[in-house]
Amino acid sequence: NAGVTQTPKFQVLKTGQSMTLQCAQDMNHEYMSWYRQDPGMGLRLIHYSVGAGITDQGEVPNGYNVSRSTTEDFPLRLLSAAPSQTSVYFCASSYGTGMYQETQYFGPGTRLLVL
Amino acid sequence: RKEVEQDPGPFNVPEGATVAFNCTYSNSASQSFFWYRQDCRKEPKLLMSVYSSGNEDGRFTAQLNKASQYVSLLIRDSQPSDSATYLCAVVGSNYGGSQGNLIFGKGTKLSVKP
Repeated sequence: NAGVTQTPKFQVLKTGQSMTLQCAQDMNHEYMSWYRQDPGMGLRLIHYSVGAGITDQGEVPNGYNVSRSTTEDFPLRLLSAAPSQTSVYFCASSYGTGMYQETQYFGPGTRLLVL
Repeated sequence: RKEVEQDPGPFNVPEGATVAFNCTYSNSASQSFFWYRQDCRKEPKLLMSVYSSGNEDGRFTAQLNKASQYVSLLIRDSQPSDSATYLCAVVGSNYGGSQGNLIFGKGTKLSVKP
């Protein structure tokens, strides 16, 4: 059981480039989410999905796209990278949604630097 | 009021001390509360879930006060290995994307000196 996996671990981009951060889980969780973590800002929700084919915006969605074609995978796309998107990105998954959230399990993170 | 607020820290304590963290939240409808531990440059990992009035696991005790809308974490006989950042998480209520999702506080850093 690998849990939540993320690739790549590190990435350096130039302003304007696009890329996809990969996230996969093997726990059959319906709920998946993406957070970014910046110093002094804590974890902020970017996008989330409550099941295959269903995605929605979180607190800070601008500049990011997501899709959920399978239960296992939830990639995050940066459309045109900006220095403000330099951050650590965490993918997470869990069973529950709504007011009765279950434990979220996090991937190891992707450290992104945009020059 | 912010959705989730934590003691700003950092907390620097000697080994063996008892330390308490507080977390206040704004969503009175939340039924799920969590404490996560995050080591430097690592992902958050679940420390404790708090689904009713409280929870205890060894040296760690979490308490929930729904009337006052706060969650606390108590660490007894703290060890250097407890040094980490502790994150409080609550289900959000704002329409700005947080509703029904886990919202995290900014975390409180703990350093336990031998």
